[in-house]
Amino acid sequence: LAKTTQPISMDSYEGQEVNITCSHNNIATNDYITWYQQFPSQGPRFIIQGYKTKVTNEVASLFIPADRKSSTLSLPRVSLSDTAVYYCLVAQTTGTASKLTFGTGTRLQVTL
Amino acid sequence: DAGVTQSPTHLIKTRGQQVTLRCSPKSGHDTVSWYQQALGQGPQFIFQYYEEEERQRGNFPDRFSGHQFPNYSSELNVNALLLGDSALYLCASSWGLAAYNEQFFGPGTRLTVL
Repeated sequence: LAKTTQPISMDSYEGQEVNITCSHNNIATNDYITWYQQFPSQGPRFIIQGYKTKVTNEVASLFIPADRKSSTLSLPRVSLSDTAVYYCLVAQTTGTASKLTFGTGTRLQVTL
Repeated sequence: DAGVTQSPTHLIKTRGQQVTLRCSPKSGHDTVSWYQQALGQGPQFIFQYYEEEERQRGNFPDRFSGHQFPNYSSELNVNALLLGDSALYLCASSWGLAAYNEQFFGPGTRLTVL
């Protein structure tokens, strides 16, 4: 079972780039690395997903080295509304099912 | 598109009672997963339903059971409630079982057990 480790919390000023690194040492060949964002009292929201190298969408970039044992979520020019908990997780397909294994997440606090 | 909807929003029960939570998946989705999120913790996988069958189960006792209906909606049942069952229960839907298919989460049902 692929377990993830990420910092408990991070602080940033508005307008800065934020990089959150996650380790997943025992990731399996068929697993995908996925990041979710969660605001208080809401369900998690998908940010980005990747398998290897670099993935970019309109809100974030995801960097995955060749060994896939870690990944870095990059949020460009954060704003106050980016204050949330960010979960790095491994999406696993096992036989005839799939599951997301969440860790404790990184609490990002953005201030002026 | 309404996205994933869950009902009720909040629920208060007493120890030993039984509860049923409901989830309607996002339009076009056929797979439903349930998660339990205790305060300050990440969501924990309970089980996943596809084609009206439980496909995978997390580390939860048999007091937790579920069902998926032909219209892909789902129910989560918890029997003999314990104080520790107090949590936010999240439903997520996706299309198919592949890990790379994005899971869309609902707003959750906040269950309080007194």
